[in-house]
Amino acid sequence: EAGVAQSPRYKIIEKRQSVAFWCNPISGHATLYWYQQILGQGPKLLIQFQNNGVVDDSQLPKDRFSAERLKGVDSTLKIQPAKLEDSAVYLCASSPQGWDYGYTFGSGTRLTVV
Amino acid sequence: DQQVKQNSPSLSVQEGRISILNCDYTNSMFDYFLWYKKYPAEGPTFLISISSIKDKNEDGRFTVFLNKSAKHLSLHIVPSQPGDSAVYFCAASGSGGSNYKLTFGKGTLLTVNP
Repeated sequence: EAGVAQSPRYKIIEKRQSVAFWCNPISGHATLYWYQQILGQGPKLLIQFQNNGVVDDSQLPKDRFSAERLKGVDSTLKIQPAKLEDSAVYLCASSPQGWDYGYTFGSGTRLTVV
Repeated sequence: DQQVKQNSPSLSVQEGRISILNCDYTNSMFDYFLWYKKYPAEGPTFLISISSIKDKNEDGRFTVFLNKSAKHLSLHIVPSQPGDSAVYFCAASGSGGSNYKLTFGKGTLLTVNP
């Protein structure tokens, strides 16, 4: 079974620029999550999709962050404009439909905003 | 407000000895707890979990203990191996239903010395 794919692995941008991250979940997984992990912190949920609908985006800074999951498969997370404090690893995870807390994370995208 | 706390940033043990990683939580609504393991440049990997209706769950060398009255859980690794060297995250969830949002601690870096 292929894992959760994320790209790019690394990205360096200047503040106020835009950036987008892509995630391809495990085939058949209905639920997709985006987490932000700042250095020295644990991952924090940004947004959760069930198929192509949003379940929880309460911690997503909606003035600059947006995410979509078209057709209930791939997902993109966008930041526009980026701030220095957005420097972090952005992790995508997926899980099958139903009661499953042990979901699978991708390797993440490390974003550096300078 | 940190709802899941891992107060030890790091732990060093000798190979073959026991590693004990601790985690405290403040939200009494949490009813499911997980441990994730993370190597550098990789996403977190699910390790073991425990439901609040249990006080112990064992999987090979890994055992998780839950003390609900103290709002405390611990991960025991016996015997510890150099390959166990990684960051360990404690995570908790209390939503149930279709929302499996996890709240993570800051992590503990475990180093197992040969």
